[in-house]
Amino acid sequence: KAGVTQTPRYLIKTRGQQVTLSCSPISGHRSVSWYQQTPGQGLQFLFEYFSETQRNKGNFPGRFSGRQFSNSRSEMNVSTLELGDSALYLCASGRSGQYNEQFFGPGTRLTVL
Amino acid sequence: GIQVEQSPPDLILQEGANSTLRCNFSDSVNNLQWFHQNPWGQLINLFYIPSGTKQNGRLSATTVATERYSLLYISSSQTTDSGVYFCASGNQFYFGTGTSLTVIP
Repeated sequence: KAGVTQTPRYLIKTRGQQVTLSCSPISGHRSVSWYQQTPGQGLQFLFEYFSETQRNKGNFPGRFSGRQFSNSRSEMNVSTLELGDSALYLCASGRSGQYNEQFFGPGTRLTVL
Repeated sequence: GIQVEQSPPDLILQEGANSTLRCNFSDSVNNLQWFHQNPWGQLINLFYIPSGTKQNGRLSATTVATERYSLLYISSSQTTDSGVYFCASGNQFYFGTGTSLTVIP
């Protein structure tokens, strides 16, 4: 069974631009969550999607948004990039219940110049 | 949200030594997991352990949900065990700050 895939793996953007990251969950998994990892703040929850609906949301500004498609693939978008958005963005997939074992993808490393 | 305390923050071991990593949670533990983050950043699942004890080779974990803590045991450590270990729990995963383990030959 294929694992969680994320594209692209590396990305360099400049301040003010926007970026879209993609995550394909494990086949049969319907929940996708996104996390941001930075040296200063550690691993922080961004949001979770289940059946194309946002089920949980972390404490991030509205510049961070996401969506999920009918095939469970998810995208997250960051608009008006700031230097502080440089981070490793990880997505995780889970089956369906509220409390699930989570499986993480390899991450997208975003650098904002 | 849930506060997750991991200890120790850093650990240096001689190859072959044993170690115990701990996570304390401020609230109920529902779906606790332990991860090892590889040098490229990916979180590798070690254990899904909301309660009880599990073993996988040289690694084992115990969660005492009623007391809101979990332990990860690494026996006969190897240099390949080096890296950062995280625990997490909650319907939106709350992560600890990690234990950075270095195993020296």
